[in-house]
Amino acid sequence: GQNIDQPTEMTATEGAIVQINCTYQTSGFNGLFWYQQHAGEAPTFLSYNVLDGLEEKGRFSSFLSRSKGYSYLLLKELQMKDSASYLCAVIDSNYQLIWGAGTKLIIKP
Amino acid sequence: GAVVSQHPSWVICKSGTSVKIECRSLDFQATTMFWYRQFPKQSLMLMATSNEGSKATYEQGVEKDKFLINHASLTLSTLTVTSAHPEDSSFYICSARPLDRPDSYEQYFGPGTRLTVT
Repeated sequence: GQNIDQPTEMTATEGAIVQINCTYQTSGFNGLFWYQQHAGEAPTFLSYNVLDGLEEKGRFSSFLSRSKGYSYLLLKELQMKDSASYLCAVIDSNYQLIWGAGTKLIIKP
Repeated sequence: GAVVSQHPSWVICKSGTSVKIECRSLDFQATTMFWYRQFPKQSLMLMATSNEGSKATYEQGVEKDKFLINHASLTLSTLTVTSAHPEDSSFYICSARPLDRPDSYEQYFGPGTRLTVT
């Protein structure tokens, strides 16, 4: 079966750094997305990785290791507005998006 | 760019009635639109994939006669929840994949529709 694992919930302090991990086991791989979703709102795109390595975009970075079936989202200089759920999603060999359950990130002052 | 709208934002209906939700890509054309359902504290669950001009492809366990999808144009898809029941109460989200970026798998999401069936 296809499976994507993320921690259910994480807590971090404003101004700090947090890393949200995602491991996947899918039938094929055509890329991995990270989305941010605030409560009651639709997801918004953060990043897309298809090759191994680190992609940096401002305070957010995303890393991928295809051989390990592993990705992480790194958030630096955390702000209160970063409190949200972070969804990892993988495109499988049928070009379908397989979604993780999401990680709820709680930022404390 | 790449804005997707949904209407209505929220709706309350009585059991047994039908509700139509519209999903529009405002500044791009989309051959493919996706309909998701999300229950509280759970992840997105893909209900169906709709392609303009053809029948939607439903995920396993989703009743196609209950959730009617019409993708009439390259900018509009509709989801009709027929004979709604309280257990259909959920957050329904659509997304669209741009026509002019066939190599991109990114989906642009609408703001979602909160359906409450009483």
